[in-house]
Amino acid sequence: KAGVTQTPRYLIKTRGQQVTLSCSPISGHRSVSWYQQTPGQGLQFLFEYFSETQRNKGNFPGRFSGRQFSNSRSEMNVSTLELGDSALYLCASTTGDLNTDTQYFGPGTRLTVL
Amino acid sequence: QKEVEQNSGPLSVPEGAIASLNCTYSDRVSQSFFWYRQYSGKSPELIMSIYSNGDKEDGRFTAQLNKASQYVSLLIRDSQPSDSATYLCAVIRNGAQKLVFGQGTRLTINP
Repeated sequence: KAGVTQTPRYLIKTRGQQVTLSCSPISGHRSVSWYQQTPGQGLQFLFEYFSETQRNKGNFPGRFSGRQFSNSRSEMNVSTLELGDSALYLCASTTGDLNTDTQYFGPGTRLTVL
Repeated sequence: QKEVEQNSGPLSVPEGAIASLNCTYSDRVSQSFFWYRQYSGKSPELIMSIYSNGDKEDGRFTAQLNKASQYVSLLIRDSQPSDSATYLCAVIRNGAQKLVFGQGTRLTINP
């Protein structure tokens, strides 16, 4: 079974621009979560989507948004980029069953904001 | 107080010895506990999950959970240089699909 895939793997943007990252979950997984990893803050939860609905949300500003499609693929968008948005963005997928909650991570998208 | 706390290390262990990694959590309604391994520049890779008090063994890895003490640990037996990585402890609260991570412990196995 193929793992979680993320595209693109690397991105360089400038302040003020916006960016869209994509995540395809493991086949059969209906829940996709997004995390931001920085050296200072570690791994922090952004949001989780299940069946095209945002089910959980972390403490990030409204510039960070996401969506999920009917095939469970998910995108996250960051608008008006700031230097502090430079990070590794990880998505993780799971079946969505709250009793089977193991999350598997994709390779990540490394975003650099200049 | 951070929700999940780990010693950041670095923890240095000789090859063949037992590496012991510790994690405490603050939220008593946490139900699921995970250890992930992350090599530099890579994404986290699941090593173990544990849900009930006691020990869970998988090969050279043993996870231990004590909910009364809000403590979870990972033991790595017969440590190998390839075990050198950052180990992340993560918990999930009851009913929420949201991993809360510790800062990670950097482990170095010395040949």
